[in-house]
Amino acid sequence: EAGVVQSPRYKIIEKKQPVAFWCNPISGHNTLYWYRQNLGQGPELLIRYENEEAVDDSQLPKDRFSAERLKGVDSTLKIQPAELGDSAVYLCASSLGQLIYNEQFFGPGTRLTVL
Amino acid sequence: AQRVTQPEKLLSVFKGAPVELKCNYSYSGSPELFWYVQYSRQRLQLLLRHISRESIKGFTADLNKGETSFHLKKPFAQEEDSAMYYCALQTDSWGKLQFGAGTQVVVTP
Repeated sequence: EAGVVQSPRYKIIEKKQPVAFWCNPISGHNTLYWYRQNLGQGPELLIRYENEEAVDDSQLPKDRFSAERLKGVDSTLKIQPAELGDSAVYLCASSLGQLIYNEQFFGPGTRLTVL
Repeated sequence: AQRVTQPEKLLSVFKGAPVELKCNYSYSGSPELFWYVQYSRQRLQLLLRHISRESIKGFTADLNKGETSFHLKKPFAQEEDSAMYYCALQTDSWGKLQFGAGTQVVVTP
């Protein structure tokens, strides 16, 4: 079992450029989360999906960030255009469902550097 | 406002010594709390959760509602316990987690 898969692992771009991150959750996991982790901080939730529906995107900066989860499996998070302050690690996690004892499994993350 | 505070950024202990990582929370509802751990070059993973009242790898954590704390403890630290530890608070019934800033634990022989 590969666990949650994310790509790319590292990305360096110049400001104002677009960037996209991809996540493949654990098979059978209906809930998918995108987190952003700034240096020296804990992860902060950006968006949560239940199957293909975004059920919580209150923390997603919608002016430049977008996400999709087609067919309720893989997900893509996009930033357009990127700003210097977007430099962070973007984590994807998945879980079986919404119950409180359903563990969230994290991917390795994508480290984004915006120059 | 909901908040999770981990006051120590770095905790350095000797092997065999007790270790305690502090976590304080602010939440108006009934709290569900977790400890996540990230070992070097590994992904973030669940260590233990309050609802299970379990001991994992010798670690325990007790929820103290009066002091709004969920400190993580281990009586005898091992070198393999060196890692980054995050306390997390579930803030809704759908599994939304709010993380603290984390505590780096370094266990020296």
